[in-house]
Amino acid sequence: DGGITQSPKYLFRKEGQNVTLSCEQNLNHDAMYWYRQDPGQGLRLIYYSQIVNDFQKGDIAEGYSVSREKKESFPLTVTSAQKNPTAFYLCASSIDTSGVIGETQYFGPGTRLLVL
Amino acid sequence: AQTVTQSQPEMSVQEAETVTLSCTYDTSENNYYLFWYKQPPSRQMILVIRQEAYKQQNATENRFSVNFQKAAKSFSLKISDSQLGDTAMYFCAFIPTTNFGNEKLTFGTGTRLTIIP
Repeated sequence: DGGITQSPKYLFRKEGQNVTLSCEQNLNHDAMYWYRQDPGQGLRLIYYSQIVNDFQKGDIAEGYSVSREKKESFPLTVTSAQKNPTAFYLCASSIDTSGVIGETQYFGPGTRLLVL
Repeated sequence: AQTVTQSQPEMSVQEAETVTLSCTYDTSENNYYLFWYKQPPSRQMILVIRQEAYKQQNATENRFSVNFQKAAKSFSLKISDSQLGDTAMYFCAFIPTTNFGNEKLTFGTGTRLTIIP
């Protein structure tokens, strides 16, 4: 089955620790995205990537880092610089080939990050 | 900057009734896409329906339909014959199609819909 997987489902971070959230897709989509969801708010864009080895900051990139070494994978690292990391993190992907803007984004099941 | 407003934080309706969720947006763009996503208790975001701004015809997907009013910048979602499985948070979202390379999907804050048995 084609889809987007995220792991782990729950993640606990200790003070000063970096943690990495995994996102993998087998939809052959070019573009991938990371969003953060806080209670009572909509989704906010952290980073996105439209092609391998390239990525762009979203609206709330501070304290986060990403890599895009493979088309299928877009891991997100929450660094110790992110002072309020407790949130629900959603990964998405879309076809988004050059010139095709507005293609539908499909989402993974999410990772809940909690600070100990 | 684009903004998306969902003015109804919570709604509830009896099973089998019809319910309409409202969404307004603010943009200076002429070409864009609008979406409704559903987030059930599992928290997976699921696409419900999509509308291209250049199309005058309102999109429909089975029991789900939209009322797209471009001049009023309004994009409401109608759910007919509501079912218990429709209980979820519903998010309205917008993305422009200007092709400058920095288009982003902007979400509203959501409407929590509860279907009552």
